[in-house]
Amino acid sequence: ETGVTQTPRHLVMGMTNKKSLKCEQHLGHNAMYWYKQSAKKPLELMFVYNFKEQTENNSVPSRFSPECPNSSHLFLHLHTLQPEDSALYLCASSQGAGGLETQYFGPGTRLLVL
Amino acid sequence: QKEVEQDPGPLSVPEGAIVSLNCTYSNSAFQYFMWYRQYSRKGPELLMYTYSSGNKEDGRFTAQVDKSSKYISLFIRDSQPSDSATYLCAMSATRSGGSNYKLTFGKGTLLTVNP
Repeated sequence: ETGVTQTPRHLVMGMTNKKSLKCEQHLGHNAMYWYKQSAKKPLELMFVYNFKEQTENNSVPSRFSPECPNSSHLFLHLHTLQPEDSALYLCASSQGAGGLETQYFGPGTRLLVL
Repeated sequence: QKEVEQDPGPLSVPEGAIVSLNCTYSNSAFQYFMWYRQYSRKGPELLMYTYSSGNKEDGRFTAQVDKSSKYISLFIRDSQPSDSATYLCAMSATRSGGSNYKLTFGKGTLLTVNP
């Protein structure tokens, strides 16, 4: 079983709600990532954190707000989302964020925005 | 032109068949090539990776990279029902001026191996 856990596994929210996704890695890694996986589209990188510092924001709308309090935990705070934000949100971690680092993925949170 | 093109399938084969999965790409800076496997309701897991051109074999799986044609392949020999999953190709290039690298994924190909 993966060393990266995500909660909740499923989430349904209205456009005016505020919710948070949580990711935890038990692998001793220093880099963590948020990806969005939509049907019929490639995996899209959203954010990268390396040693708790955000090093990549891939032009993500401000209604998605990441937080990385330490190298083991990563959150994605959601507010005033749109129906097109419905997707599988995947968290990943790697030893470092440079060079050829294998990324280990969690099982994802399936999000439905009504 | 999209950076990475991958036929989403679905691809359905009988057990024991040889499966060929492919991706093409347009960015000549890509030099690291990976294949991820994603089972239903799971996150992707790294299956194989190769650097630059050439072949790499791991059990029933062989990854091939042809940089001159900007074309990569994953072959599965003696396919099993347990190989049924979505296969994602991914690529990266060293980004100048920074230590981070970014994976660019294909859409994934859904493979079903029928017993």
